[in-house]
Amino acid sequence: DTEVTQTPKHLVMGMTNKKSLKCEQHMGHRAMYWYKQKAKKPPELMFVYSYEKLSINESVPSRFSPECPNSSLLNLHLHALQPEDSALYLCASSQTQGGYGYTFGSGTRLTVV
Amino acid sequence: AQSVTQLDSQVPVFEEAPVELRCNYSSSVSVYLFWYVQYPNQGLQLLLKYLSGSTLVKGINGFEAEFNKSQTSFHLRKPSVHISDTAEYFCAVSAADSNYQLIWGAGTKLIIKP
Repeated sequence: DTEVTQTPKHLVMGMTNKKSLKCEQHMGHRAMYWYKQKAKKPPELMFVYSYEKLSINESVPSRFSPECPNSSLLNLHLHALQPEDSALYLCASSQTQGGYGYTFGSGTRLTVV
Repeated sequence: AQSVTQLDSQVPVFEEAPVELRCNYSSSVSVYLFWYVQYPNQGLQLLLKYLSGSTLVKGINGFEAEFNKSQTSFHLRKPSVHISDTAEYFCAVSAADSNYQLIWGAGTKLIIKP
């Protein structure tokens, strides 16, 4: 299995909703990432998990909350989002943190209404 | 710290013609270099990567890239493009002094004209 699987593919949520994005990989990779991508822009790193420990938490709003239940799974919990949070959310994994290229999932297209 | 410059935001080219997408980077340390492709409404797919060794790297879908250390470039080439190559192409670099995080170029949209 050489894929990163993301669910759902599309999500529409209101500003008061709570939802979660899910990501799964079975390549034995020990680093997993969440990226946000706006249209016609490169992806922006949100969170990094390396060996199931959050190693980078940039200035991402607290309405985004990552969770890594085990080395194969990565979740992104969403709460009280704003319309400007509408974007493509991409999950990626790599053998080790930053090593030798990432494998990306196909993303979740999120629309906040 | 590294930075990546993709000079062309769009490159229009006729079908079956050759194409080169340019990527330049700045870094004071050794780097790893990557090209990713993003088809419409999809995620990112790794086209090719340079880690070490031969400076000419071959990737998927007939693409290749050449690492030029003196010019700090990693240009992507294909001898004959197809309509299916229409996509956004991102160059990225990682290095030890940024904890190997990917630093991205702004992207180049490849437009294939029939």
